[in-house]
Amino acid sequence: QVQLAQSGAEVKKPGSSVKVSCEASGGTFRSSGISWVRQAPGEGLEWMGGIIPMSDTVSYAQKFEGRVTITADEATGTAYMEVGSLRSEDTAMYFCVRDRVLWFGGSPQPHQWFDPWGPGTLVTVSS
Amino acid sequence: DIQMTQSPSSLSASVGDTVTITCRTSQNISSYLNWYQHIPGKAPKLLIYAASGLQSGVPSRFRGSGSATQFTLTILGLQPEDFATYYCQQRTTFGQGTKVDIK
Repeated sequence: QVQLAQSGAEVKKPGSSVKVSCEASGGTFRSSGISWVRQAPGEGLEWMGGIIPMSDTVSYAQKFEGRVTITADEATGTAYMEVGSLRSEDTAMYFCVRDRVLWFGGSPQPHQWFDPWGPGTLVTVSS
Repeated sequence: DIQMTQSPSSLSASVGDTVTITCRTSQNISSYLNWYQHIPGKAPKLLIYAASGLQSGVPSRFRGSGSATQFTLTILGLQPEDFATYYCQQRTTFGQGTKVDIK
């Protein structure tokens, strides 16, 4: 049973960047993927982007393209998400999730469903 | 992009009630629709995958149904631990959420 552990809470200044880690235990995510979902205070869930290590595929929500970088280290079973140019609106809980991928003829069809979820990392952006 | 409309945005119910939450999509998505439960302070939890598949470990009082553009999550006999916010999801899009609280 895969479990996901995330790095601790962060407090950042506007304009800076933050890097959050997500380590898988009890299995790997190589043939599946890892996505990142955030929830701002009082808001719903928002998909930010994801990575599929086996196919070296990374995708981002248009809103975060150019400001978010998602990477994975298969050797350690750890995924990372870096958000740059932080602003107050980035204050949120950030969750990593295992992204269920279906494979058709060697081509990945990601985002079938998200399970399990990491516990979340609270990022606060404040001057 | 596919638009998702989840309703109601909130509801009040009592322990033992049957609760129904609806998710409508702007395009036919076959059965590619999932449901999650989110209790504040905890990680969201997958309840139903592919419209009607019950995730392992989830109580059978949670039922998913529907296809194409209309989907339903039903909770039969609401329990105290079920008061939470519920989200539908299709690929990278989540519904707006339905908060279920105590009447």
